[in-house]
Amino acid sequence: SQQGEEDPQALSIQEGENATMNCSYKTSINNLQWYRQNSGRGLVHLILIRSNEREKHSGRLRVTLDTSKKSSSLLITASRAADTASYFCATPGSARQLTFGSGTQLTVLP
Amino acid sequence: KAGVTQTPRYLIKTRGQQVTLSCSPISGHRSVSWYQQTPGQGLQFLFEYFSETQRNKGNFPGRFSGRQFSNSRSEMNVSTLELGDSALYLCASSYTAGATNEKLFFGSGTQLSVL
Repeated sequence: SQQGEEDPQALSIQEGENATMNCSYKTSINNLQWYRQNSGRGLVHLILIRSNEREKHSGRLRVTLDTSKKSSSLLITASRAADTASYFCATPGSARQLTFGSGTQLTVLP
Repeated sequence: KAGVTQTPRYLIKTRGQQVTLSCSPISGHRSVSWYQQTPGQGLQFLFEYFSETQRNKGNFPGRFSGRQFSNSRSEMNVSTLELGDSALYLCASSYTAGATNEKLFFGSGTQLSVL
């Protein structure tokens, strides 16, 4: 079963704009990860944020985590066409494996 | 360092056949996890192998099985294929078993089509 749910399901923006996608989850977690997937390819790890962290940066990526609301957001600043991909949040599942959300499909128009 | 390698990249089978997919993890990684990805169900965990032993298993029928060799390479097998088995099968490697607090390294996947 899926623990995290991303919102929106799809997002279309112009190059140079910022893109924000959100993830909500159901049970308490000790960390949350974000992954990117280009069409028909494998997932690439972007960032891991621990439950005692509220915000984390990596290049043009900014991730926040609000454990009280059981939600996380991923902000991509100054988007490029190459950022076009699906983005997934992942949380620890009950069987000691990562559980992935349904993903946000981001399209960055040149 | 070479990434995770999955073969074949594409596969077309007919109902009732069986299929074997292969995954070579990053050198030094001993854990291999398998996921099934479909448009309807998203990414679903199949199983994880560590040191040649299955450590975790998702909610899939017994037609889905796997194994891991002493060099950490893993194979998964699907017997008696059904149309609903059409999916992108992804494997991921990591250093430790049940590694929910470390990142996974994914292969490019095997796209299986069942006709």
